Amino acid sequence: GAGVSQSPRYKVTKRGQDVALRCDPISGHVSLYWYRQALGQGPEFLTYFNYEAQQDKSGLPNDRFSAERPEGSISTLTIQRTEQRDSAMYRCASSLQTRTEQFFGPGTRLTVL
Amino acid sequence: TQLLEQSPQFLSIQEGENLTVYCNSSSVFSSLQWYRQEPGEGPVLLVTVVTGGEVKKLKRLTFQFGDARKDSSLHITAAQPGDTGLYLCAGGGSNYKLTFGKGTLLTVNP
Repeated sequence: GAGVSQSPRYKVTKRGQDVALRCDPISGHVSLYWYRQALGQGPEFLTYFNYEAQQDKSGLPNDRFSAERPEGSISTLTIQRTEQRDSAMYRCASSLQTRTEQFFGPGTRLTVL
Repeated sequence: TQLLEQSPQFLSIQEGENLTVYCNSSSVFSSLQWYRQEPGEGPVLLVTVVTGGEVKKLKRLTFQFGDARKDSSLHITAAQPGDTGLYLCAGGGSNYKLTFGKGTLLTVNP
């Protein structure tokens, strides 16, 4: 009965390094979403997967950001050549199907020094 | 771009008081969701409203969707310290994408 899990929970990195953030959705959930949430703000959509297919990546800020979900389960959000402005909470959510309730993970707090 | 404005941004009240928070937009949404987020946790869905004018009650919480489906309100009766948290509204369109407001940070003091 595990919920959405994310790892690491905290990541501190130096500017210019690459980071990979992992999301384990609820078992059997078809849809997976990545959001970014700044302090004091609501989550901002980044990208969406249906099974292994990335259906929408319109929210990714630039081409340093990419995401994959190769087997339709675990997903990885990768940020290359990190910048200080990338510092934020990155949240993953999954839902049983598209447009059904989204269950959010605890997030990964990324700090870029 | 669809935007959701939430007010007030911060609210601090005493236990037992009533309160209302608002979520407004110039855009029409096919559905509107309210979430509560506690420190260190992800948002948790409280309710989804889909019909203009719809009212839903969840114990001491009453949610209303505006007739034009552009705005919503959340009313809490007799607030308790356990109600403390960030309340987020999110508008849904014809697809999966949710547009979140910035939230109302509620503190209920014992």
